[in-house]
Amino acid sequence: EDQVTQSPEALRLQEGESSSLNCSYTVSGLRGLFWYRQDPGKGPEFLFTLYSAGEEKEKERLKATLTKKESFLHITAPKPEDSATYLCAVQDTSGTYKYIFGTGTRLKVLA
Amino acid sequence: DTGVSQDPRHKITKRGQNVTFRCDPISEHNRLYWYRQTLGQGPEFLTYFQNEAQLEKSRLLSDRFSAERPKGSFSTLEIQRTEQGDSAMYLCASSSESNTEAFFGQGTRLTVV
Repeated sequence: EDQVTQSPEALRLQEGESSSLNCSYTVSGLRGLFWYRQDPGKGPEFLFTLYSAGEEKEKERLKATLTKKESFLHITAPKPEDSATYLCAVQDTSGTYKYIFGTGTRLKVLA
Repeated sequence: DTGVSQDPRHKITKRGQNVTFRCDPISEHNRLYWYRQTLGQGPEFLTYFQNEAQLEKSRLLSDRFSAERPKGSFSTLEIQRTEQGDSAMYLCASSSESNTEAFFGQGTRLTVV
């Protein structure tokens, strides 16, 4: 069965202190791995899709990478407005198009 | 198009009452998903439609839950005889066949008292 595990559960950073969030996954075949940002009380906001090992995507201070077993979301020189919960999800190739989510990493960036 | 729209944004209901939520997906998207999210957890899959066909439903989903997508446009999610454990954020998302990423609405926050 598909499984997604995110770590750490929570992370506090000082403004400018770079770090990485981890998403480990188990799927029979990977159709895609997705990163979302979620602010309190709102729906998830799409950030990136990664399809194959070695792929990287960047957007402002965020960079997502993918291996055969995990993905990292690197945050470079974060700002307080980057504070949010970051969710990872996978979609497998078995014929279903549902997304399986991890429990997220709650990021707090202090000024 | 302004994205996925959900209505209402908030719903408070008494235990035992029925509730219905509506989702309007992005207009060209033929796939529509319903998820449930509780505090501190990731979204949990409930069901998904391709056009008007409901192709998958979570095994964990009680038969008190039903969803429809008439004519492959908007969708409704009904919960009958609500229980306190149904209190959660209900999220709708849509995606197209040409792109794999799904886009979410702002959710409907259900509180059962």
